[in-house]
Amino acid sequence: GNSVTQMEGPVTLSEEAFLTINCTYTATGYPSLFWYVQYPGEGLQLLLKATKADDKGSNKGFEATYRKETTSFHLEKGSVQVSDSAVYFCALNGADSNYQLIWGAGTKLIIKP
Amino acid sequence: DTEVTQTPKHLVMGMTNKKSLKCEQHMGHRAMYWYKQKAKKPPELMFVYSYEKLSINESVPSRFSPECPNSSLLNLHLHALQPEDSALYLCASSPSPTSGTYNEQFFGPGTRLTVL
Repeated sequence: GNSVTQMEGPVTLSEEAFLTINCTYTATGYPSLFWYVQYPGEGLQLLLKATKADDKGSNKGFEATYRKETTSFHLEKGSVQVSDSAVYFCALNGADSNYQLIWGAGTKLIIKP
Repeated sequence: DTEVTQTPKHLVMGMTNKKSLKCEQHMGHRAMYWYKQKAKKPPELMFVYSYEKLSINESVPSRFSPECPNSSLLNLHLHALQPEDSALYLCASSPSPTSGTYNEQFFGPGTRLTVL
């Protein structure tokens, strides 16, 4: 079946550091891939998405590239800010999941000033 | 209007109370969802409404009763809840539930429910 694996957190970085949060998936066919972000005390916001191989999603300085050969969708940002502190969820959907979202466990990111 | 709204933001209820959570979207989306989220965990799907009809019920206890009065509104009626039902309840919508394209889900801010 479909599944998503994210790196365990929390991830703690200093402000202006480079960020990578790893995400790998298992799915047949060509799922769409998403990163959602949840700030403390809030709901989920779609951060970026990619719908086919080699697509790059980007938003607010974050990027992720759909890599079919490595079944990965790693989230990156060149210079993080304290305001980026949040929980980040990787997710996929596709025909095999009846178009429902399959979630990773989430990675808590802590940015220290 | 590109947002999903939920009311109330917070709700405290006793185990014998009856209450309702409300969700609204005006994006013309035809699929709406209820999720339950426990702290530090990803959301768990509860119900899916597709074109205002219940299409998925993920074996949710009957003390949770969803309702979709029209294409913009989604309710979740609560009755005789247990303390373990305390969680963040999230509503989401997407343009269509199943199709040849893959649609992202847009989430509301959630209702934080505490059952005493």
